Amino acid sequence: QMQLHESGPGLVKPSDTLSLTCTVSGSSISNTHWWGWIRQPPGKGLEWIGYISNTGDTQYWPSLRSRATMSIDPSRNQFSLKLSSVTAVDTAVYYCATYHGTERVFDHWGQGTLVSVSS
Amino acid sequence: DIVLTQSPLSLPVTPGETASISCRSTHSLLNYNGYNYVGWYVQKPGQSPRVLMFLGSNRAPGVPDRFSGSGSGTDFTLKISRVEAEDAGVYYCMQGLANPIAFGQGTRLEIK
Repeated sequence: QMQLHESGPGLVKPSDTLSLTCTVSGSSISNTHWWGWIRQPPGKGLEWIGYISNTGDTQYWPSLRSRATMSIDPSRNQFSLKLSSVTAVDTAVYYCATYHGTERVFDHWGQGTLVSVSS
Repeated sequence: DIVLTQSPLSLPVTPGETASISCRSTHSLLNYNGYNYVGWYVQKPGQSPRVLMFLGSNRAPGVPDRFSGSGSGTDFTLKISRVEAEDAGVYYCMQGLANPIAFGQGTRLEIK
């Protein structure tokens, strides 16, 4: 059974870069085509950030495209998100998930990690 | 960009009754291949979202047949028959037809 686990700092200073890693277990990252990030501000709904293919192709939410960078490391079975120039509005629970390219849904999710942006 | 609007935003339901959640899209979600790229998720308190339905009306593995999805084009419905206490949570629709992927605002299902 595939499992995903997010890791990274829980507190980031304004204007710094948020960095998160998603570690995949139970399956090779090369076997699934698309790997995504979704976030959820406290008390609010879900926001798609973007996804990356197992060959490194990326798609981002337009509002974040200038600040977001995703990468994938098959050797470590991990993929990552960097979000630069963060502000308080970037405070959220960040989820990594698999995106099923045929069914077009996120079918496996990590447990999420809260990232707070504060000085 | 495609925008999804869910209604109602809050839905109190008595156990055993049927709950219906609507999801309306600003653009048709019907692809040329005949599939509606709509998914439904539930998020229970303190948990990650879990997919319930894909392609509008297909249940994800392990989802009880009390859950059903319907609709085409711009109007979609998630129906939960014989609601149980464990069904409490926030339900989201999502479109996967075109980027940017969008979620509805969520509907909070409350068990009376």
